[in-house]
Amino acid sequence: DAMVIQNPRYQVTQFGKPVTLSCSQTLNHNVMYWYQQKSSQAPKLLFHYYDKDFNNEADTPDNFQSRRPNTSFCFLDIRSPGLGDAAMYLCATSREGDQPQHFGDGTRLSIL
Amino acid sequence: AQSVTQLDSHVSVSEGTPVLLRCNYSSSYSPSLFWYVQHPNKGLQLLLKYTSAATLVKGINGFEAEFKKSETSFHLTKPSAHMSDAAEYFCVVSGLSGGGADGLTFGKGTHLIIQP
Repeated sequence: DAMVIQNPRYQVTQFGKPVTLSCSQTLNHNVMYWYQQKSSQAPKLLFHYYDKDFNNEADTPDNFQSRRPNTSFCFLDIRSPGLGDAAMYLCATSREGDQPQHFGDGTRLSIL
Repeated sequence: AQSVTQLDSHVSVSEGTPVLLRCNYSSSYSPSLFWYVQHPNKGLQLLLKYTSAATLVKGINGFEAEFKKSETSFHLTKPSAHMSDAAEYFCVVSGLSGGGADGLTFGKGTHLIIQP
């Protein structure tokens, strides 16, 4: 089945140690998104790619960066994680920007 | 500007009774509206979408929602709750002309509890 796959499901890193989360899709969708979701809150959009065009939300910290080397893969890099970055990170895709998004199961990031 | 208000942070119903999750929106454009469900430690799953076709939208798992422009509402209903419906539900609006990912606005979510 076509899907959005996030690896790993659980990630533990140390305070200040860079970490990369990955997302892959078999839907061949143009748009890929990264969201941060903290406990009991709605997902918050960090940034998205429309094809190779990167779109950063105005309030996304500089600590967060993303790469999309090809249509299928997208990475979230956190350069120096702080305790406040502990959250669920969700990847999503859509064929076009105004169409429903398909979500992966997320990566839960813990910071020691 | 657009916004979404989910009127209840928690809703508790008994198994087999109707479910009503309320959502009001505001948008400067003709909106697209969605309901997503999130089970614990899972991503969001699309339940249904409204995109200016029929005002009564049927979704998966027996859920449906009615778009009422005069009331700016998009409430989610199900005739008979099942234990597996226990989850977090998000109302989402996309309203920018021509679409665009940054046009998505999430409600704060409603936690649905099903009593046996």
